Amino acid sequence: NAGVTQTPKFQVLKTGQSMTLQCAQDMNHEYMSWYRQDPGMGLRLIHYSVGAGITDQGEVPNGYNVSRSTTEDFPLRLLSAAPSQTSVYFCASMLLASSYEQYFGPGTRLTVT
Amino acid sequence: DQQVKQNSPSLSVQEGRISILNCDYTNSMFDYFLWYKKYPAEGPTFLISISSIKDKNEDGRFTVFLNKSAKHLSLHIVPSQPGDSAVYFCAASEGIQGAQKLVFGQGTRLTINP
Repeated sequence: NAGVTQTPKFQVLKTGQSMTLQCAQDMNHEYMSWYRQDPGMGLRLIHYSVGAGITDQGEVPNGYNVSRSTTEDFPLRLLSAAPSQTSVYFCASMLLASSYEQYFGPGTRLTVT
Repeated sequence: DQQVKQNSPSLSVQEGRISILNCDYTNSMFDYFLWYKKYPAEGPTFLISISSIKDKNEDGRFTVFLNKSAKHLSLHIVPSQPGDSAVYFCAASEGIQGAQKLVFGQGTRLTINP
């Protein structure tokens, strides 16, 4: 099993550009989520999904869109990047009704200039 | 408003000694708590958890203590090893459904000195 994979590892965007951060898992987990990590802030939940076709907002959803068309994939879209979205982004997955343990990907470091 | 707080940004401990990492929370609805460990350039990995029906949970060198009245939990690592050097995050949730919406603390960077 590859676990949770994220692409790209690094990305630099100009203000106003759009992009999609990719996340995939091969563990057949129903739950997937996106977090951002900023210095002194810990990890903050952006969006999450409990299954294909179901998404919900987390603590900091503004400026981000998600969709879940398959169990395996959960892409995060930035429609118009802003410098405030400079951060490290982590995707995670979890088997619902089994444990509370979320499995995290290696992260994507995004810089918006 | 930070609902989960780790007030020590960093901690330095000698190899072989005990490391104690602390975490405070303000939301009395939190009833499940987790610790994650993070190495540089990697995602966090689950370490240990505790439910509010317990006040202690042990897994090898790692023990988590929960004091519900003080809204405080701590992670003890005994004995500390160089490989324990990492950033540790505590996280909290409200029940089973709440596990879908973890709230993390800011993290504590632990350095184990030889």
